[in-house]
Amino acid sequence: DVKVTQSSRYLVKRTGEKVFLECVQDMDHENMFWYRQDPGLGLRLIYFSYDVKMKEKGDIPEGYSVSREKKERFSLILESASTNQTSMYLCASSRGNQPQHFGDGTRLSIL
Amino acid sequence: DAKTTQPPSMDCAEGRAANLPCNHSTISGNEYVYWYRQIHSQGPQYIIHGLKNNETNEMASLIITEDRKSSTLILPHATLRDTAVYYCIVRVASRNRDDKIIFGKGTRLHILP
Repeated sequence: DVKVTQSSRYLVKRTGEKVFLECVQDMDHENMFWYRQDPGLGLRLIYFSYDVKMKEKGDIPEGYSVSREKKERFSLILESASTNQTSMYLCASSRGNQPQHFGDGTRLSIL
Repeated sequence: DAKTTQPPSMDCAEGRAANLPCNHSTISGNEYVYWYRQIHSQGPQYIIHGLKNNETNEMASLIITEDRKSSTLILPHATLRDTAVYYCIVRVASRNRDDKIIFGKGTRLHILP
């Protein structure tokens, strides 16, 4: 089975902090994705990566950056956290054009 | 992506088959039908996908009509753990920016003991 692991299920940070969300997959998938999920807005793509050291902006990249130094790990960085970044963050991975598999999510609260 | 229409909620008795419908009347020839579900406080879980033939795996069966304008996800023996929101989406299987997943409102399935 595909395993996508997100480092924290719940996280509370303060406005202005730099926040790191980590995601690791164990299936040697080349594609990795970061989404946020908000009530009434559904899933929105933040960034994605098709290979190591490669990244592409999704629909809402502002205020975020990513890092993919190793194939199995895709990190999402909130450069200076703001309250409007309080959300559920979901990481996904896939191989080629196969279905994406998601982690259990990180519920992030910015105070 | 083509849009899908699903009933907002459904009930099913435990042990019975749950049949979840989805309409996708504007689906294109190269678009697949995918089903995911999301149990409360968890990430979305991939269930099954298909192009035009019926598909079956250890979780469910997917029946796609011949004109591909609708499909049905079948959970053959529903259990309480199948209570979740089920999302039907149609998308091209590709490796570019359009690879993003877009969920609609889905169907909230309640399994009744």
